[in-house]
Amino acid sequence: GENVEQHPSTLSVQEGDSAVIKCTYSDSASNYFPWYKQELGKRPQLIIDIRSNVGEKKDQRIAVTLNKTAKHFSLHITETQPEDSAVYFCAGVLSGGYNKLIFGAGTRLAVHP
Amino acid sequence: EPEVTQTPSHQVTQMGQEVILRCVPISNHLYFYWYRQILGQKVEFLVSFYNNEISEKSEIFDDQFSVERPDGSNFTLKIRSTKLEDSAMYFCASRTSSVVSGVQYFGPGTRLTVT
Repeated sequence: GENVEQHPSTLSVQEGDSAVIKCTYSDSASNYFPWYKQELGKRPQLIIDIRSNVGEKKDQRIAVTLNKTAKHFSLHITETQPEDSAVYFCAGVLSGGYNKLIFGAGTRLAVHP
Repeated sequence: EPEVTQTPSHQVTQMGQEVILRCVPISNHLYFYWYRQILGQKVEFLVSFYNNEISEKSEIFDDQFSVERPDGSNFTLKIRSTKLEDSAMYFCASRTSSVVSGVQYFGPGTRLTVT
């Protein structure tokens, strides 16, 4: 079945720096890749997603890139702020089926003022 | 903006007891999911539900688990005889019927503690 690997597990940056989180997936049939942000004790919140027919997508300070050949996708956060501190999960979804999300292990991002 | 809701927010139960976790998905959504997250770990898929039946389930979703949509709004997860290792946060999610959109919206979760 599909497997999603995510790294790093923790990331510490200074406010204003950029942060990059990388994920790889195993099943080339995956066609949808959302990123969720989870603050402590809260629900996962979708922050950005990308489909397999697109190589890059940007939303203000957040961008996601997808390399289908290499089967990896990355989250880029620019000009980080303390409120960006959270756990970030990538996920993959196989085409067809009922769109179950296969999550990566998560990255705990700490942005220091 | 519509949201997925879940009750209770926290459930404490003794090992061997039955629990029912409740979810109200977003009203025009037709695909429903349960996920769980053991403390400090990743979110894991349990089951998907569509057209009043289970469409897919994971290895975690054994005979002790069941799901039901008893009416037009609620979606429930039942654990028949809870074990200590069932302690986790359980998230319900729902998705629109659109074939194009894969976006799943998560509820706030129910923290289940089995003692």
